[in-house]
Amino acid sequence: SQTIHQWPATLVQPVGSPLSLECTVEGTSNPNLYWYRQAAGRGLQLLFYSVGIGQISSEVPQNLSASRPQDRQFILSSKKLLLSDSGFYLCAWSGRVQGFRQPQHFGDGTRLSIL
Amino acid sequence: GENVEQHPSTLSVQEGDSAVIKCTYSDSASNYFPWYKQELGKRPQLIIDIRSNVGEKKDQRIAVTLNKTAKHFSLHITETQPEDSAVYFCAASIARGSGNTGKLIFGQGTTLQVKP
Repeated sequence: SQTIHQWPATLVQPVGSPLSLECTVEGTSNPNLYWYRQAAGRGLQLLFYSVGIGQISSEVPQNLSASRPQDRQFILSSKKLLLSDSGFYLCAWSGRVQGFRQPQHFGDGTRLSIL
Repeated sequence: GENVEQHPSTLSVQEGDSAVIKCTYSDSASNYFPWYKQELGKRPQLIIDIRSNVGEKKDQRIAVTLNKTAKHFSLHITETQPEDSAVYFCAASIARGSGNTGKLIFGQGTTLQVKP
């Protein structure tokens, strides 16, 4: 069965510090991968998605970036965090069966607090 | 681009009553509509989904209906229980064809409170 791992679960970082959040998927190949951010009490904002290794699409201009160095690994990064980067970061994946993309499944998320 | 509107933003029902959450979408090419439940502090979890080739799908106390002509779909929860209390998100996507991204456009969410 497929599983998605996301770490760390919580993170407290000072303003201006770098960030690296990692997400890996097991039990599937060639997944679509997604990074979302959720502010407290708010909806899901799609930040980046990737349909393959090295292929990254950005949905919202910001000081974050994403990379996909391996088929099942997705990394969210920042060189200098802002206060507004605080939030709940969720990684998700979807697969393909008979040409149809399947539902997105979310990791447990990283709760990021910027001080 | 696609836009999904979700109503109501909050919903309070008595245990045992039914709850209905409605969503409308703008892109007639959308053909896949999942619903997610998110408990406080947890990840969103898929509870039911429907594709555009069917009008209704049911799974125990949960059902989803789709009206392609009107471009709206609804989540129905019957015999609600306190553990149904959570935030529910609808979403829409174009989920077929090579090169498609599987991107989901989410509604704003509905906070459901089931009072015992």
